[in-house]
Amino acid sequence: AQSVTQLGSHVSVSEGALVLLRCNYSSSVPPYLFWYVQYPNQGLQLLLKYTSAATLVKGINGFEAEFKKSETSFHLTKPSAHMSDAAEYFCAVREGGATNKLIFGTGTLLAVQP
Amino acid sequence: EAQVTQNPRYLITVTGKKLTVTCSQNMNHEYMSWYRQDPGLGLRQIYYSMNVEVTDKGDVPEGYKVSRKEKRNFPLILESPSPNQTSLYFCASSSSGWAKNIQYFGAGTRLSVL
Repeated sequence: AQSVTQLGSHVSVSEGALVLLRCNYSSSVPPYLFWYVQYPNQGLQLLLKYTSAATLVKGINGFEAEFKKSETSFHLTKPSAHMSDAAEYFCAVREGGATNKLIFGTGTLLAVQP
Repeated sequence: EAQVTQNPRYLITVTGKKLTVTCSQNMNHEYMSWYRQDPGLGLRQIYYSMNVEVTDKGDVPEGYKVSRKEKRNFPLILESPSPNQTSLYFCASSSSGWAKNIQYFGAGTRLSVL
């Protein structure tokens, strides 16, 4: 069964610093992986997705993630944090089969300090 | 504008009083699902629907019902709400085919059961 582990429930960075949010997955089949962002009092918005094409995936708002099969990781990065990046970030893997269900990690709350 | 609309956004109710949370999408998507979000647990799938009149249980279906009489609507029904159903609920939809990996989420419904 697929699963996702996000290391660090809270991450705090300074404005302009590198953002690194960690995600490791477990999957018995080639995974489809996603990062979603949830701003306060809003729904989930897709940041980026990996669907077995390029291993380095670029998303919205300057975020990118690299799929590393050998490490079973899909970490999210952004070179320079902005105050508006403060939000909760969820990594997810699509469950195999026809259900299209997403298995979510427990989320990482990103704080950006001025 | 493509969107998933949930109503109400906020709801406070008492134990045992039946309630329905509506979900509607305007993208002609076949697939719809409900998730609940709880602190430290991420999002967990409650029910999903592959198409009209086709529904199935997710990971945490106890205490919930759904129906899919029309393609655009997927209401979540709590016949006899209990305090452990206090949570943040999200509806999601996606298309079939290659694009079905992208799920679109509503803004969420915050439910409190007293």
